[in-house]
Amino acid sequence: AQTVTQSQPEMSVQEAETVTLSCTYDTSENNYYLFWYKQPPSRQMILVIRQEAYKQQNATENRFSVNFQKAAKSFSLKISDSQLGDTAMYFCAFMKPHSMEYGNKLVFGAGTILRVKS
Amino acid sequence: GAVVSQHPSWVICKSGTSVKIECRSLDFQATTMFWYRQFPKKSLMLMATSNEGSKATYEQGVEKDKFLINHASLTLSTLTVTSAHPEDSSFYICSAPGWRGEQFFGPGTRLTVL
Repeated sequence: AQTVTQSQPEMSVQEAETVTLSCTYDTSENNYYLFWYKQPPSRQMILVIRQEAYKQQNATENRFSVNFQKAAKSFSLKISDSQLGDTAMYFCAFMKPHSMEYGNKLVFGAGTILRVKS
Repeated sequence: GAVVSQHPSWVICKSGTSVKIECRSLDFQATTMFWYRQFPKKSLMLMATSNEGSKATYEQGVEKDKFLINHASLTLSTLTVTSAHPEDSSFYICSAPGWRGEQFFGPGTRLTVL
């Protein structure tokens, strides 16, 4: 079974600084997707970034980038120039696509609460 | 991006009554939808997979007679909490898969059972 571990329950960062959220996962699969989702106080889940395991290049979306280390099964999220609106709970998630066994389900980590301070 | 709506956003009901929550994909079709439950500051717990035209698949430990799921069309799934009790109070979220492996989430429904 796939597992996702986020070892930082809470983090804080000063506005305009950079912060990195950690995520490790365990799988025997070779082809899969990894995601970071953000859940602000409104509780609406928002996709931050997506990475396909077969792609070596790290995904980037504006101020958000990942460090994807497939061999180490690590998928950290870096937020640059942190803004107050980045305050949220962040979830790392794994998905095995086109799987009869797992049915395209997302496997979530426990989450990291990020607080951006002014 | 694709939009998923949920209705109602907040519901309060008396113990013993049933509550129906709707999940709709607004601009795309979804043969599969997922229902989650979330407690404050905790991760999402998958309850069941809703399948259009067939029975839902429930995760281990989820009472299927308690949480009835109906996927009536390619854009609508409903979760009915039957004979609700205070311990069913929670935040319920649905999602539908996109075409690039991601899932699009509804805004959630806060259920309070008195």
